[in-house]
Amino acid sequence: NAGVMQNPRHLVRRRGQEARLRCSPMKGHSHVYWYRQLPEEGLKFMVYLQKENIIDESGMPKERFSAEFPKEGPSILRIQQVVRGDSAAYFCASSRDRGRDNEQFFGPGTRLTVL
Amino acid sequence: AQSVTQLDSQVPVFEEAPVELRCNYSSSVSVYLFWYVQYPNQGLQLLLKYLSGSTLVKGINGFEAEFNKSQTSFHLRKPSVHISDTAEYFCAVSGGSNYKLTFGKGTLLTVNP
Repeated sequence: NAGVMQNPRHLVRRRGQEARLRCSPMKGHSHVYWYRQLPEEGLKFMVYLQKENIIDESGMPKERFSAEFPKEGPSILRIQQVVRGDSAAYFCASSRDRGRDNEQFFGPGTRLTVL
Repeated sequence: AQSVTQLDSQVPVFEEAPVELRCNYSSSVSVYLFWYVQYPNQGLQLLLKYLSGSTLVKGINGFEAEFNKSQTSFHLRKPSVHISDTAEYFCAVSGGSNYKLTFGKGTLLTVNP
């Protein structure tokens, strides 16, 4: 059973470009979470999605950031007009449900560098 | 809202020595507590979790943690560490929402020969 897949693992963008980060959850998981890890910081929650729905986006910056989890295909975190402050590791996690025994399985992350 | 404080940013120890990584949390609701390990350039792996029941929780790789409600702590321990335990360790809490994990800043454990 493959784990959570993220690609690309490393992404370099120049200021003003767009960044698209992909996350394929574990088989059988329909809940996806995105977290951001800034240098020397812990992970910060960004957004929680189920198939075709955004459940909680309270951690998403108000501008330039968006996320989706379509019926088919991976979840996408999109950052428009990137700035240097967007440089971070972005982790995706998935879970089977959101019940009491809800373990989130994390992917290897995408490390975004903005030049 | 919840918050997590990991009191030590770095903990150097010698191989086969015991180690304790400290974690304190604050929350206005009942919490679930987690410890994750992150090896260089990898994702997070769950070490152990406390949901309810026994306050002493055993996890993978010989780690254990004890939930202390009165002290709002969830310290991670291992009686004898190995070189391969060198990694970053994160304490996390989820509260009433039951899904949003709040992480501490992490503790870098370095095991020296």
